[in-house]
Amino acid sequence: EIVLTQSPGTLSLSPGERATLSCRASQSVDSNYLAWHQQKPGQAPRLLIYAASSRATGIPDRISGSGSGTDFTLTISRLEPEDSAVYYCQQYDSSFGQGTKLEIK
Amino acid sequence: EVQLVESGGGLVKPGGSLRLSCAASDFTFIDAWMNWVRQAPGKGLEWVGRIRSRSHGGTSEYAAPVKGRFTISRDDSKNTLYVQMNSLKIEDTAVYYCITGGIVRAWGQGTLVTVSS
Repeated sequence: EIVLTQSPGTLSLSPGERATLSCRASQSVDSNYLAWHQQKPGQAPRLLIYAASSRATGIPDRISGSGSGTDFTLTISRLEPEDSAVYYCQQYDSSFGQGTKLEIK
Repeated sequence: EVQLVESGGGLVKPGGSLRLSCAASDFTFIDAWMNWVRQAPGKGLEWVGRIRSRSHGGTSEYAAPVKGRFTISRDDSKNTLYVQMNSLKIEDTAVYYCITGGIVRAWGQGTLVTVSS
């Protein structure tokens, strides 16, 4: 079983800054099978990124994904207050990372 | 638009059983792999298990904490996914979500299972 480890646990940034979230896998993951999800308090998660770098429908282009092998990154540019949420990486049909909480000051 | 609606949650005593359902619509359910995911109060997302489409054998796999206690099944004629949960433990308390396999095309709102005496 592949274990996904996210860092940092919590990230606190100001509006307009850039957030960089990391997801590291214990073994190589086919980049076609790596996704990122966003969850706001009291809501169900929603898909942001699939196949490591493809944006889901309706996701703005200031949100991007990259990476391959064991290291993947979610980047959110020009942070807005609405970006406050917990972000999870996921290997398709399998494990999730433990999440990174993004706080906008 | 893909829709997933979970139901069947509730309060159950430790050692008890519960069956959750997930009604799917607006995609070709028969061809889809499906997963159950859960989220304990204040915790992160935890993959529970998956079931392949019938054309891929219809087999299922489970996470270690639920293996041997949970059984995922599907009724393609009803576009419905199930999970039968037996020998429930307090630590199974969570919101349970069903999601499509591969690219997650939608999340439902989940159904809350509370295991408590």
